Amino acid sequence: EAGVTQFPSHSVIEKGQTVTLRCDPISGHDNLYWYRRVMGKEIKFLLHFVKESKQDESGMPNNRFLAERTGGTYSTLKVQPAELEDSGVYFCASSQEAPWTAGPGNEQFFGPGTRLTVL
Amino acid sequence: KQEVTQIPAALSVPEGENLVLNCSFTDSAIYNLQWFRQDPGKGLTSLLLIQSSQREQTSGRLNASLDKSSGRSTLYIAASQPGDSATYLCACSIYNQGGKLIFGQGTELSVKP
Repeated sequence: EAGVTQFPSHSVIEKGQTVTLRCDPISGHDNLYWYRRVMGKEIKFLLHFVKESKQDESGMPNNRFLAERTGGTYSTLKVQPAELEDSGVYFCASSQEAPWTAGPGNEQFFGPGTRLTVL
Repeated sequence: KQEVTQIPAALSVPEGENLVLNCSFTDSAIYNLQWFRQDPGKGLTSLLLIQSSQREQTSGRLNASLDKSSGRSTLYIAASQPGDSATYLCACSIYNQGGKLIFGQGTELSVKP
């Protein structure tokens, strides 16, 4: 079974440009999460999709970030325009169930991440 | 606001030693707690998931315990090997705060041959 995949693995862009990150969750996982780690800090939550709906987007830093999950399969995270402080590693994770359904299905599986550098 | 703390930040041990990694959290109203391992430049690998109703989980040489009343979890690694060298992260999800995981900063483990 394929794990969570992310594309690209690395992206280097100039300040003011646009970047789109893609995440393909594990097949059949309705829950998809985006997280980010900036230099020297802990990993922080950005948002949570259940199928194609945004369940929680409380971690999105500002309106330069736009996440979509059309059709409830893969997801994209667009940063437009990118700023220097957006540099970091963006992780995607998926789970079969949400945490409030007690059981092994709420385990989150992470992708390898996309390292974004904004110059 | 939930805070997750991992101590120590770094640990170096000789091969073969049994060791314990610590994770503490301030809000005991959690759905579950996960332990992850991260190798340099790689993603996170889930090691163990402990549900709120459970006290411990085991997988091979790894054993994770959960004590909600004291806000603590420990990851026990038996007979450590150089291949166990990595950063270990704990994270928990909180009641009524959706599905997001709150992460600690991690413990960087080095096992010397």
